[in-house]
Amino acid sequence: QQQVKQSPQSLIVQKGGISIINCAYENTAFDYFPWYQQFPGKGPALLIAIRPDVSEKKEGRFTISFNKSAKQFSLHIMDSQPGDSATYFCAIPTGANNLFFGTGTRLTVIP
Amino acid sequence: EPEVTQTPSHQVTQMGQEVILRCVPISNHLYFYWYRQILGQKVEFLVSFYNNEISEKSEIFDDQFSVERPDGSNFTLKIRSTKLEDSAMYFCASRFPPGTGVYEQYFGPGTRLTVT
Repeated sequence: QQQVKQSPQSLIVQKGGISIINCAYENTAFDYFPWYQQFPGKGPALLIAIRPDVSEKKEGRFTISFNKSAKQFSLHIMDSQPGDSATYFCAIPTGANNLFFGTGTRLTVIP
Repeated sequence: EPEVTQTPSHQVTQMGQEVILRCVPISNHLYFYWYRQILGQKVEFLVSFYNNEISEKSEIFDDQFSVERPDGSNFTLKIRSTKLEDSAMYFCASRFPPGTGVYEQYFGPGTRLTVT
């Protein structure tokens, strides 16, 4: 039984602040960890992903940090903006390359 | 930029009716998926499809569901006899085939299915 624990469930951050979302997993089919961003009424959009030959990956204001021994990975959003307000899902690959999603974090960035 | 497209955007149907949801995956992607998301909940895997056959399916994907790639561009999900609990957003996703070293899955905008 796959388990992915995502926290927090919701997050409110001031504009310019740092948003941090965490995921912990039990098992993964292989080492690939994506984060998806979803706006209301839209499909999940791939935001950033890491393959842990490195422990950190940065793309613009978004950074994934990965701790293999702890089976945890996190998303950091630097200089958070109101346009970042969305639901963020972590996911891990299972079985035949399908994704098992976390429960989501609703981020609200206050102007 | 290539994207996954889905039609219709919203489908309303009566309980017991059959529905077909359509997807056009990204060109050159050969691995296809259907996921669903009940309102306010997480995204759940339904089925994956590769090389003209189901690769894997979840417990949700029971005998009422089927998938098909009727031609070189479309990928469909059929629900044979809809239930109220089938009401959800259904997302199609696609990716490059295994062995390419590319794992990223790209999602379509979804079809909102409402069963009354």
